[in-house]
Amino acid sequence: AQSVTQPDIHITVSEGASLELRCNYSYGATPYLFWYVQSPGQGLQLLLKYFSGDTLVQGIKGFEAEFKRSQSSFNLRKPSVHWSDAAEYFCAVPNNAGNMLTFGGGTRLMVKP
Amino acid sequence: SQTIHQWPATLVQPVGSPLSLECTVEGTSNPNLYWYRQAAGRGLQLLFYSVGIGQISSEVPQNLSASRPQDRQFILSSKKLLLSDSGFYLCAWKDGQANTEAFFGQGTRLTVV
Repeated sequence: AQSVTQPDIHITVSEGASLELRCNYSYGATPYLFWYVQSPGQGLQLLLKYFSGDTLVQGIKGFEAEFKRSQSSFNLRKPSVHWSDAAEYFCAVPNNAGNMLTFGGGTRLMVKP
Repeated sequence: SQTIHQWPATLVQPVGSPLSLECTVEGTSNPNLYWYRQAAGRGLQLLFYSVGIGQISSEVPQNLSASRPQDRQFILSSKKLLLSDSGFYLCAWKDGQANTEAFFGQGTRLTVV
C-alpha cells in the first residue's frame, strides 16, 4: 500500500535560515505527492503537489519540493524561514484507489527569533 | 470557487452527551467527503469517508457515526461521548477524480469533560 514517512517529528530553525523537511514515500507506480501546512488550531492548507513532469515543484508561501525517484523522497524546502512559518507540515500520498489521501505523521516546525 | 464550512469551531461537552458536527461544501457537486481526527500531538486519523449520499465507509470502529443526508453535507455524530473522543475534528472534500488533492475545513476542537 502507498505510504509516506516523515522522519522528523520536531524541527527548530532560526528565522532567516533555510529549511528542509523530509518525506519518504512508498508507491507502486508514478507517485502523486502533496505537502500540506497546518497552523495551530486551523485546518490543513495545500502548499504544493507533484503529479508528473518537472521534479522541482513550486508552491505557495515561497515553498518548493523536489521529487527524487532514486531516493523515494519528496522533501519540502524554503530558502529563508519566517516566524509565520511555524506550523505543522504533512506529506501525503493517495491510496491505491486514489480516492483518499494517506498522511505522514507530520513535522512540527518551530522558528527561533 | 469551492468552499468548505465546518462548525462549531469549539465545543465542550460532558461525558455521555450527544454530539453533532456539521460540514458543508459549496461550489461543487458529488464530492468525496471525509472526517478526520487529530488527538493531541498525533497525526491525522481517517474516521469516515463518503462517495455519495447515504454511502458511508468507516475506517476505525468507535463511538462515532457519520451520515450524508445531502450531496454536500456531512455530519459526524455520537449518541454518548467518551473522554477519549476529545480531539480536533477535520472535515475535508475532494473531487471524484483519482489522485487529486483534498481541501480541509477549519476544524472543530472538541473537549469532553
